[in-house]
Amino acid sequence: GAVVSQHPSWVICKSGTSVKIECRSLDFQATTMFWYRQFPKQSLMLMATSNEGSKATYEQGVEKDKFLINHASLTLSTLTVTSAHPEDSSFYICSARGRTGNTEAFFGQGTRLTVV
Amino acid sequence: GESVGLHLPTLSVQEGDNSIINCAYSNSASDYFIWYKQESGKGPQFIIDIRSNMDKRQGQRVTVLLNKTVKHLSLQIAATQPGDSAVYFCAVSGGSYIPTFGRGTSLIVHP
Repeated sequence: GAVVSQHPSWVICKSGTSVKIECRSLDFQATTMFWYRQFPKQSLMLMATSNEGSKATYEQGVEKDKFLINHASLTLSTLTVTSAHPEDSSFYICSARGRTGNTEAFFGQGTRLTVV
Repeated sequence: GESVGLHLPTLSVQEGDNSIINCAYSNSASDYFIWYKQESGKGPQFIIDIRSNMDKRQGQRVTVLLNKTVKHLSLQIAATQPGDSAVYFCAVSGGSYIPTFGRGTSLIVHP
């Protein structure tokens, strides 16, 4: 159990375009989803936390108008990178938690975004 | 806020040896701790967790030890195998329920 599916696993897009990344909890309802960004050989940097049906809470320094997060259902959250630039190229990872409070969160497989 | 560090960025071991990966945290109010394994190009994989009311928890070939006095936890992997080669992260959370990740330790297992 506890499978989180992230799609696409990789994407290449042109500068100025927008890219949507989906994160789905396949066998549980995700009350909370987290979006991370990871640079090579570095740790995970939390971008935002989203709870179903409410607006995402963004970490300091993360532009909410650039990284649009939607958590419309208990099994789906999306991250849209708007007007992408080469510096947005990174590994984006989502995780989902099925219960409130401090419980385990399960990760998707990540999305490698390359902006050219 | 939480500050989480790892003592060694890289750990090299021989196949069959036991591995110990360490993690230090700064917030004494932290009460939930998770170890994740991340293979290259993949998302982190849950290994084991422990809550602050415990000092030790065992899984299959893995043991997590928590020392709240010195705010330190460790992950022990018994009989390390080449498939264990990956980056290991500790994640620490408290009242905010938002996990803070450590820098990661790269475990290299030599056959």
